[in-house]
Amino acid sequence: DAKTTQPPSMDCAEGRAANLPCNHSTISGNEYVYWYRQIHSQGPQYIIHGLKNNETNEMASLIITEDRKSSTLILPHATLRDTAVYYCIVRVAANTGTASKLTFGTGTRLQVTL
Amino acid sequence: GAVVSQHPSRVICKSGTSVKIECRSLDFQATTMFWYRQFPKKSLMLMATSNEGSKATYEQGVEKDKFLINHASLTLSTLTVTSAHPEDSSFYICSAREKWGGTKNIQYFGAGTRLSVL
Repeated sequence: DAKTTQPPSMDCAEGRAANLPCNHSTISGNEYVYWYRQIHSQGPQYIIHGLKNNETNEMASLIITEDRKSSTLILPHATLRDTAVYYCIVRVAANTGTASKLTFGTGTRLQVTL
Repeated sequence: GAVVSQHPSRVICKSGTSVKIECRSLDFQATTMFWYRQFPKKSLMLMATSNEGSKATYEQGVEKDKFLINHASLTLSTLTVTSAHPEDSSFYICSAREKWGGTKNIQYFGAGTRLSVL
């Protein structure tokens, strides 16, 4: 699976949009981009994933560049409860019969402040 | 979203005892379950992958006789830390992937178990 690069930390004011970047320049054509977050002392929470089109759900939006070498997770109106470590992971989506595991990097620690 | 239940959330045990952690997928069937370990201020490290009805596949450096994994059904996997020692103290997190995940292939995570070995 391709590796990803994320900034170690970011700050965001409450109510503002939080834009978290991720570089995945070696991504393969069949690899999806997944985003998870981990709030302190809890298990990771799935946020969103995509292949090449931009995606939006109730939690966030995912913007993937046309060349798919980078992406941005957008939390439109950050709240204090969004303070967490955000992980960007690229992985083959289809279950090919071998377990395709999620490999976590160090992520971005997002601190939302008043 | 799908729910993965992990129990217990916290356990304190004496050195030399064994501890069992349960992981259940509550509203979906999980062909594959994963066990991770996380040390303070570190990222999650995959320990092993288990498929229902077959032996678990352990990551390099993880002792299979130390960390026994059983995935007896499509909704339950257990991790047993045998003869626990203080260095086994950590945050253990399970994850499950839906049987018919298709192109979604989303892994859902439990809330984690904090193990403290005295």
